[in-house]
Amino acid sequence: EPEVTQTPSHQVTQMGQEVILRCVPISNHLYFYWYRQILGQKVEFLVSFYNNEISEKSEIFDDQFSVERPDGSNFTLKIRSTKLEDSAMYFCASRAGIFSGNTIYFGEGSWLTVV
Amino acid sequence: GQNIDQPTEMTATEGAIVQINCTYQTSGFNGLFWYQQHAGEAPTFLSYNVLDGLEEKGRFSSFLSRSKGYSYLLLKELQMKDSASYLCAVRDGTYNTDKLIFGTGTRLQVFP
Repeated sequence: EPEVTQTPSHQVTQMGQEVILRCVPISNHLYFYWYRQILGQKVEFLVSFYNNEISEKSEIFDDQFSVERPDGSNFTLKIRSTKLEDSAMYFCASRAGIFSGNTIYFGEGSWLTVV
Repeated sequence: GQNIDQPTEMTATEGAIVQINCTYQTSGFNGLFWYQQHAGEAPTFLSYNVLDGLEEKGRFSSFLSRSKGYSYLLLKELQMKDSASYLCAVRDGTYNTDKLIFGTGTRLQVFP
């Protein structure tokens, strides 16, 4: 069964460093998302992306965050200058589109620890 | 505001039936998802309801009442592997600008 894949599975970084989390959405999907989950808390929406641009972003997604689809397969989340409170599991997700289904599938997550 | 409520924890016995309730008050509604999440892992899709009524899929069923802002997930013939968190999530927004709003999740423990 097709799946969303993410790398790295775990990254430790120093405060102030830049981090790039990578995702390969399911191949025929058109809508892409990033969510995060701080340990012990609920899953929170960060950003949605469609047709090569951001569709919507949450209050969490400030100027330190950016997303990019550099080629036909990858979808990346960049955090420019990490803070301690950015420590969380980051989930990439994707959805097919209007004719192919509304189910949103999640990747295995990238666990980011900022020290 | 956006509010999704579900019980924090539930326990049940192997072979039994358990119902996990979810109530929501959101500014928009375009369907409701249930996901299963084992600790440290990704949410795994279980069901999606957009119309009122019951959707059945094997041991799992999900019900939606839009007028009451209410859904439940029903798990039958519980197995030990069903011990996990169950996340209720409302899909908000239009087709091209949708997002999921999650509840805090219900941690289910299944005992032998």
